Amino acid sequence: GAGVSQSPSNKVTEKGKDVELRCDPISGHTALYWYRQSLGQGLEFLIYFQGNSAPDKSGLPSDRFSAERTGGSVSTLTIQRTQQEDSAVYLCASSLSWEALNEQYFGPGTRLTVT
Amino acid sequence: AQSVAQPEDQVNVAEGNPLTVKCTYSVSGNPYLFWYVQYPNRGLQFLLKYITGDNLVKGSYGFEAEFNKSQTSFHLKKPSALVSDSALYFCAVRDSANAGKSTFGDGTTLTVKP
Repeated sequence: GAGVSQSPSNKVTEKGKDVELRCDPISGHTALYWYRQSLGQGLEFLIYFQGNSAPDKSGLPSDRFSAERTGGSVSTLTIQRTQQEDSAVYLCASSLSWEALNEQYFGPGTRLTVT
Repeated sequence: AQSVAQPEDQVNVAEGNPLTVKCTYSVSGNPYLFWYVQYPNRGLQFLLKYITGDNLVKGSYGFEAEFNKSQTSFHLKKPSALVSDSALYFCAVRDSANAGKSTFGDGTTLTVKP
């Protein structure tokens, strides 16, 4: 079946502009996660959703970052007033449920470059 | 708080030799441990996980990992490395008491030379 999809695959934006990154999880997966991977770095947890609610927003770097999920499916990560330090690969993952024993399935990522 | 350490940024092995990629963890509850692999220009793929039971777990592509509770380790192993195993490997931990969040290590680049 289809895996996790993300769009766009690449995004170049000017400093100060807003961007929206989209994630479409595997059908039937109720949990959805956003991570950020900077060049040469590991994965930085941003936020996760169980259904449409986000129990843990602790990883969002600043109030410029927000995310929503509607209909228990597609999620959008929005970065307002982008800064150069926001440049990274943004990864989305989904899992069958929020339970810790479930592995995550990752999308190909969106490479964001802020100029 | 939960954390993962991958002490080696880079591991180099010759094809046909055994390989080990190290991982240690810290959690307050029971650990659920995962290995993921990231091939060049591709997304992360799940390799294997330890939830409970047998300390030696087997996963995709001939990889296995051994859970050691006393040493809080979950090292990834393969008896005979292939050039195609060259990739970036991530260890991750989830705490049974903090289900949603996964903490990933910084990754280890494995290079298998012919």
